[in-house]
Amino acid sequence: KNQVEQSPQSLIILEGKNCTLQCNYTVSPFSNLRWYKQDTGRGPVSLTIMTFSENTKSNGRYTATLDADTKQSSLHITASQLSDSASYICVVSAGFKTIFGAGTRLFVKA
Amino acid sequence: NAGVTQTPKFQVLKTGQSMTLQCAQDMNHEYMSWYRQDPGMGLRLIHYSVGAGITDQGEVPNGYNVSRSTTEDFPLRLLSAAPSQTSVYFCASSRRGEDSPLHFGNGTRLTVT
Repeated sequence: KNQVEQSPQSLIILEGKNCTLQCNYTVSPFSNLRWYKQDTGRGPVSLTIMTFSENTKSNGRYTATLDADTKQSSLHITASQLSDSASYICVVSAGFKTIFGAGTRLFVKA
Repeated sequence: NAGVTQTPKFQVLKTGQSMTLQCAQDMNHEYMSWYRQDPGMGLRLIHYSVGAGITDQGEVPNGYNVSRSTTEDFPLRLLSAAPSQTSVYFCASSRRGEDSPLHFGNGTRLTVT
């Protein structure tokens, strides 16, 4: 069964600290993996996309990694800001199917 | 450039009532889709369309209808609302191609009492 599991469910960090969010998937055939950021009351917005051959991709303070062998991805946030408080959703595409993880809710405190 | 616009933002219905959630995009995207987002679960696909005049069912289509008469608009109709349809509904659009990101609207929060 195609599944995307994210951990932790929620996370609280202090402003300025780094954090890493995890995504494990059992999706076949793999096309690509995206991380989306969803602010409260808004729709998700794409942060990064990774294809099978890519290991690392950065977008400002966000760095995504992909290990296609172990079917794991991570999203690392550097020097967190209050505006990083949001849900982060891992999304895996398998051909014409798109499977969404339940998200990690990140709270950044001053 | 407005992107994807959803209306209304909030709606309360009584069981058995019907309504239409509106979705419009101004990016000339071929692909449009409707999702529902429930606590603790990933977004689930309700219906999708790959172009005007073409629609298909997603993972959870029961109780919902769609139509796509133009490229821009993709309304979602609830035929007879049930409490199980209480959710946040998102419309999304994208260009064709697996590498194209989904562009989401800001959602409609629906409560069915």
